[in-house]
Amino acid sequence: DAGVIQSPRHEVTEMGQEVTLRCKPISGHDYLFWYRQTMMRGLELLIYFNNNVPIDDSGMPEDRFSAKMPNASFSTLKIQPSEPRDSAVYFCASSRLVDEQFFGPGTRLTVL
Amino acid sequence: DAKTTQPPSMDCAEGRAANLPCNHSTISGNEYVYWYRQIHSQGPQYIIHGLKNNETNEMASLIITEDRKSSTLILPHATLRDTAVYYCIVGASYDKVIFGPGTSLSVIP
Repeated sequence: DAGVIQSPRHEVTEMGQEVTLRCKPISGHDYLFWYRQTMMRGLELLIYFNNNVPIDDSGMPEDRFSAKMPNASFSTLKIQPSEPRDSAVYFCASSRLVDEQFFGPGTRLTVL
Repeated sequence: DAKTTQPPSMDCAEGRAANLPCNHSTISGNEYVYWYRQIHSQGPQYIIHGLKNNETNEMASLIITEDRKSSTLILPHATLRDTAVYYCIVGASYDKVIFGPGTSLSVIP
């Protein structure tokens, strides 16, 4: 298995632009998580899905952030419009149950 | 969610056992203790988890006190590649797990 796949690995964009991060979970995993990591705030859970349905989005910082999971093999995290304070590493993780989560390599986002 | 307390940093000599403590005094009966680690610039990696009994796998051992208010992760023979931030987390298996600041472990040659 290739593990959790995230794209792009690096993204540099200008303030105000739309950013879309992509994630392909491990096949057979029912849970998918989106995290954000910064030096100041550490690793924060943004949202998680169970069987493609969003279960808890209380960590999504504001309406500029949205996440979708149209099928079991794909999820997106969108930021529109992006701001410099959104600069962070965004991780996607998947698991069969909410225990052993497998993390992807992350997307390093820089908003200028 | 129950909260955990970990020392911010620790050192360990290469080849020696690394014992990482974690306090979780408010843990509920249905909550597990999970350990993850994050090596610089990589995503977190699951290590081990347990409910009441001690657990061991190829990576580490988890010792949970009888009252479940604290636990210790043991890396039996630390190597330089074990230098990482180690996260102790508690949560129910059906609920999300929340990462705290963790312990930064430095393995010294």
